[in-house]
Amino acid sequence: NAGVTQTPKFQVLKTGQSMTLQCAQDMNHNSMYWYRQDPGMGLRLIYYSASEGTTDKGEVPNGYNVSRLNKREFSLRLESAAPSQTSVYFCASRNRGPRDEQYFGPGTRLTVT
Amino acid sequence: GESVGLHLPTLSVQEGDNSIINCAYSNSASDYFIWYKQESGKGPQFIIDIRSNMDKRQGQRVTVLLNKTVKHLSLQIAATQPGDSAVYFCAERSGQNFVFGPGTRLSVLP
Repeated sequence: NAGVTQTPKFQVLKTGQSMTLQCAQDMNHNSMYWYRQDPGMGLRLIYYSASEGTTDKGEVPNGYNVSRLNKREFSLRLESAAPSQTSVYFCASRNRGPRDEQYFGPGTRLTVT
Repeated sequence: GESVGLHLPTLSVQEGDNSIINCAYSNSASDYFIWYKQESGKGPQFIIDIRSNMDKRQGQRVTVLLNKTVKHLSLQIAATQPGDSAVYFCAERSGQNFVFGPGTRLSVLP
């Protein structure tokens, strides 16, 4: 049981390049999330998927797209990276039980130059 | 929400002392709250939760207090240890999702 895994761990892009951040969970959770974390700030929601086949915008969706490929996988795509997207990106899945907990991956540190 | 930019609030405590970390939340309709711990280079991890119909909940060495009147949460850590050094976030469930506070860095002094 690996929990939530993310790839890659680190990435450096040039302005205008594109890339996809991958996320997978093996806990059979319905809901999955993408957050970004900037220095000294809390997590801000980019996109989420309440269930397989659905996606919705969060607080800061501009410049990003997502795909809920299946129940396990939720990817985040940057079509044309900008320096303002330099951040640490966290994927999470959610267990809506009595304890409504989000399980976070280890993060992807992205630098856009 | 409140933003502290590049400078996280920092709490420094002596090893063995008790720590109290505070958090103001924004939505009086929020019905559920979680404290997360984030160690350097890792994702946040669940510590303890509390529902809005409670004002106190205890775990192992941790206690969360909820004051709905002033929209305030606190996390108390008893007998703080070096392994408690981390950034601590509160999160409030607001509608379908969670809203995270900016975090407090806890530094444990030997």
